[in-house]
Amino acid sequence: QQQVRQSPQSLTVWEGETAILNCSYENSAFDYFPWYQQFPGEGPALLISILSVSNKKEDGRFTIFFNKREKKLSLHIADSQPGDSATYFCAGTNTGGADRLTFGKGTQLIIQP
Amino acid sequence: GPKVLQIPSHQIIDMGQMVTLNCDPVSNHLYFYWYKQILGQQMEFLVNFYNGKVMEKSKLFKDQFSVERPDGSYFTLKIQPTALEDSAVYFCASSMGLGTYEQYFGPGTRLTVL
Repeated sequence: QQQVRQSPQSLTVWEGETAILNCSYENSAFDYFPWYQQFPGEGPALLISILSVSNKKEDGRFTIFFNKREKKLSLHIADSQPGDSATYFCAGTNTGGADRLTFGKGTQLIIQP
Repeated sequence: GPKVLQIPSHQIIDMGQMVTLNCDPVSNHLYFYWYKQILGQQMEFLVNFYNGKVMEKSKLFKDQFSVERPDGSYFTLKIQPTALEDSAVYFCASSMGLGTYEQYFGPGTRLTVL
């Protein structure tokens, strides 16, 4: 049972464009959603996160849009740079529980110069 | 961001042997986690640990697995005996807790069981 789904599996955008990465979840109890960025051979690095009480979270070029009713969220990367090329993982958890993160399978993002 | 260290970065062992994976979590963090990532798949939760005890474990956390953090030293994952299906990258994470939810991950240990 895939509790967190990400799409697309792979995405290529031109430098300077906005990349949009999608995520959906099944567990209504999830209320905290971090996005992680992972480069090959490295561990996932926390990029930005959102709590379900908010519908938008912005940090520089990175913005999360959250729709609780539809159980969907998206990560927008504005003015994308070649250095943003990485795999991005969406995750969810219930902060009232034991806070295990449930991850999606990731989106591989390639920024073409 | 806060740094979690893992030792070794790569371990190759024969099936049936014991292996210990070491994690040096962020110094003031109270909660510790292990996740497993098989190549090309998503990361999956194994176990979390707080105040010297396992809080929750998943079905992937087999009887052959154990965790401990003796006297504030490394947080360790021990597998004894290892099986071929244990080959994966194991990530350690830590979080402060106390109303914060961010989990910070180490670089991973790639375990190859032959």
